[in-house]
Amino acid sequence: SAVISQKPSRDICQRGTSLTIQCQVDSQVTMMFWYRQQPGQSLTLIATANQGSEATYESGFVIDKFPISRPNLTFSTLTVSNMSPEDSSIYLCSVKGEGEAFFGQGTRLTVV
Amino acid sequence: GENVEQHPSTLSVQEGDSAVIKCTYSDSASNYFPWYKQELGKRPQLIIDIRSNVGEKKDQRIAVTLNKTAKHFSLHITETQPEDSAVYFCAAQRTMNSGYSTLTFGKGTMLLVSP
Repeated sequence: SAVISQKPSRDICQRGTSLTIQCQVDSQVTMMFWYRQQPGQSLTLIATANQGSEATYESGFVIDKFPISRPNLTFSTLTVSNMSPEDSSIYLCSVKGEGEAFFGQGTRLTVV
Repeated sequence: GENVEQHPSTLSVQEGDSAVIKCTYSDSASNYFPWYKQELGKRPQLIIDIRSNVGEKKDQRIAVTLNKTAKHFSLHITETQPEDSAVYFCAAQRTMNSGYSTLTFGKGTMLLVSP
């Protein structure tokens, strides 16, 4: 299993600003995943972060809006840039073990 | 890419009844199918999973069945209890030759178990 610490747990931000979300894992992992979960909706993959290379973004998500860092095998950050109310959502980081995915507790972002 | 459809979106049952949630997937190369339970305000947690070389798997009151030919899989919960109330997500995963793999989630089913 993996223990994932994610912070902040929630934040209220002004539109036009940026927020960086941090994710720390208790073991070394090759890939870390960032998801968005809009209220009452499913989990949508934003990007996959590999250590030592650029993140791979899913359709509809771009690096300028969601820059990702992966400085080592236990840590990653996701930045939500130039925020608008439409970015209000829960953001979760995730890692995978032997098939099973483990999730951070999520960051509930409200943009006003 | 993969597309996962999940039904129903909401399901209300009486305590002690059974609940069944169904999912279909589009990519025949998908080979791993987990089910996650997400309680209000909490992170998703794996409750059961099945791989493509198995047709059925059971863990106490929870079972999952997989029909690869029809590309659908189902979650069965027997003797439901109020604490089973949550949102349940199915997912499908395909692993590439490179080892790269991603999960595609269904839209979720809100299960409400009434005492």
